[in-house]
Amino acid sequence: QQQVRQSPQSLTVWEGETAILNCSYEDSTFDYFPWYWQFPRESPALLIAIRPVSNKKEDGRFTIFFNKREKKLSLHITDSQPGDSATYFCAASTSSGQKLVFGQGTILKVYL
Amino acid sequence: DPKIIQKPKYLVAVTGSEKILICEQYLGHNAMYWYRQSAKKPLEFMFSYSYQKLMDNQTASSRFQPQSSKKNHLDLQITALKPDDSATYFCASSPGHISNERLFFGHGTKLSVL
Repeated sequence: QQQVRQSPQSLTVWEGETAILNCSYEDSTFDYFPWYWQFPRESPALLIAIRPVSNKKEDGRFTIFFNKREKKLSLHITDSQPGDSATYFCAASTSSGQKLVFGQGTILKVYL
Repeated sequence: DPKIIQKPKYLVAVTGSEKILICEQYLGHNAMYWYRQSAKKPLEFMFSYSYQKLMDNQTASSRFQPQSSKKNHLDLQITALKPDDSATYFCASSPGHISNERLFFGHGTKLSVL
């Protein structure tokens, strides 16, 4: 059973466009939602994270939109750059520990 | 310089054998973890340790045994290896065992079981 789902599986955008990556979850006790990105042959690294007390978190070109009622969130990458090409993982955890549940990932490719 | 060192980087093993994956972190963190990533499954939580004590174990099989000899070490012993164990095993750490702390990942050990 996949507790965290991501779509699309892969996404291609042109440089300068906005990429939108979607994530949904099932467990209503999840209260921390980080996004990690992973470049080829590299380890995952934290990109941005949100707690449900907010419905939006912004960091430069990266913004998380959160909808607690629908159990959905999305990552918007504005002015996409070729250097943003990576696999993006949505994850979730509860307040009781550090077990992160990861989605399957979205492979983003940004073309010049 | 890498702050989380995993050894070896690549590992090939035969079915039924036993291997130990090494992890050392030099970030001064108190919590350490093992995650597994394979072609079939997303990043999957395996174990968490805090101050050398097991906090959470999501690995059904007893063939996987974490070993913590020092606060900054968390090795993973895998016995009776199976081809399905083939994956990249990531060690990670965080300052404490709190849900909203950033995880720092090592570069992984890619295990291939023949």
